[in-house]
Amino acid sequence: DTGVSQNPRHKITKRGQNVTFRCDPISEHNRLYWYRQTLGQGPEFLTYFQNEAQLEKSRLLSDRFSAERPKGSFSTLEIQRTEQGDSAMYLCASSGQGPNTGELFFGEGSRLTVL
Amino acid sequence: AQSVAQPEDQVNVAEGNPLTVKCTYSVSGNPYLFWYVQYPNRGLQFLLKYITGDNLVKGSYGFEAEFNKSQTSFHLKKPSALVSDSALYFCAVREAVDSNYQLIWGAGTKLIIKP
Repeated sequence: DTGVSQNPRHKITKRGQNVTFRCDPISEHNRLYWYRQTLGQGPEFLTYFQNEAQLEKSRLLSDRFSAERPKGSFSTLEIQRTEQGDSAMYLCASSGQGPNTGELFFGEGSRLTVL
Repeated sequence: AQSVAQPEDQVNVAEGNPLTVKCTYSVSGNPYLFWYVQYPNRGLQFLLKYITGDNLVKGSYGFEAEFNKSQTSFHLKKPSALVSDSALYFCAVREAVDSNYQLIWGAGTKLIIKP
C-alpha cells in the first residue's frame, strides 16, 4: 500500500500525559500537512512541512503541540500535557509540488481521546 | 479573507434522484477549488478539483462540479444518487497564487441517500 499511513489509529490517554502520532506520507511527496478535525467540523490546519522544513504553523496552535519531519520523510506530531479539549481526529496529508497539486492525499487519521 | 460556505448541514436525496451539494467561496484572487468525501471513521478522499479551463469538472464515482465565477460557487452534483454515496462532503478552496498551498475548508455537508 503506497498511501499515507498514520499510527496509532486510536489513542486513549489521561489528561496531562504526552502523546505522539506518526505519519508516513506517500514516498514521492515532499509536502506534508497536519490537520485536526472535531465532530461535525471541517479539517483545521495545524502545520505543514516542505521536505524537512516546517514552513508554517497555525497561530491557533498551542505551544504544547510540536511537529517534526526529520530527513523529510515521516513526521511526528507530539502533544504535551494533554487536555480534554485536545480530543479530536488528527489527520495527516501529503502532496507533491506544482500548481495543480492542491490535491491532498489523506491518511485514515489518529483519533485521540483525553480522559 | 478567504472563506468557504456550505449552506446545508445535511442533504437528503432518494436513491436514483439527482443530487446537489452546495458550496460558495470567497478569495481575493483566482481560486483553486476542491471537493473531498469522508466516510465514517475514515480519512478524507479527493473527489475532484477545478484549476482552470472547462467550468464543468468530472471526478470520481460519477460526481461532477460546476465552477461559476459570477456566483462564486462550486456545487457538487451527481445525476443519479446511490445509497453508497452517503457520506460527509467537504468543499475547499485556495488562492492560485498561494505558495503555501493551504486549503480553506467548509464545515461539511452530510449527504444521506435513502433507498
